[in-house]
Amino acid sequence: NAGVTQTPKFQVLKTGQSMTLQCAQDMNHEYMSWYRQDPGMGLRLIHYSVGAGITDQGEVPNGYNVSRSTTEDFPLRLLSAAPSQTSVYFCASSYRAGAAEQYFGPGTRLTVT
Amino acid sequence: GDSVTQMEGPVTLSEEACLTINCTYTATGYPSLFWYVQYPGEGLQLLLKATKADDKGSNKGFEATYRKETTSFHLEKGSVQVSDSAVYFCALSTTAGGTSYGKLTFGQGTILTVHP
Repeated sequence: NAGVTQTPKFQVLKTGQSMTLQCAQDMNHEYMSWYRQDPGMGLRLIHYSVGAGITDQGEVPNGYNVSRSTTEDFPLRLLSAAPSQTSVYFCASSYRAGAAEQYFGPGTRLTVT
Repeated sequence: GDSVTQMEGPVTLSEEACLTINCTYTATGYPSLFWYVQYPGEGLQLLLKATKADDKGSNKGFEATYRKETTSFHLEKGSVQVSDSAVYFCALSTTAGGTSYGKLTFGQGTILTVHP
């Protein structure tokens, strides 16, 4: 049981490039989400999904796209990277609604130059 | 909207000192409250949680009590260790129509450093 996995761990992009951050979980969780972590700002929700085929925007969705074709995978796409997207990105999943504990991946540190 | 405010950090303590990290919240409805911990180079892990007023969450010697009257969920530990050095996040999850789908609102995090 690997939990929540993320790839890559580190990435450097040039402004305007695109890329996909991968996230997978093997716990059969319905809910998955993406956060970004910036110094002094805690974690902010980018996008989330309540099941395969269903996604919605979080607090800071601009510049990011998501899709959820399977229960296991929830990739995050940066369409045209900008320096403001330099951050640490965390994927999380949870089994049920209400007071559900979320399980976090180890994170991807992204730098956009 | 929902929000969480944590005490300003960082916090530096000597081993065996007492710890309190303040957390207050604003939320509609009846939130569940959480403390998450992030050790260096790792993702967040759930430390403890409380789902209703007056509940006390506890784990690894840490405690926090859900105080509805003061909208607070302060984290406490009686004797910290070097291994407790980490970033601590207070968070809440609110329900809408009976489900929250696990959406969390986080505080800004408090860096704790414990010296031997």
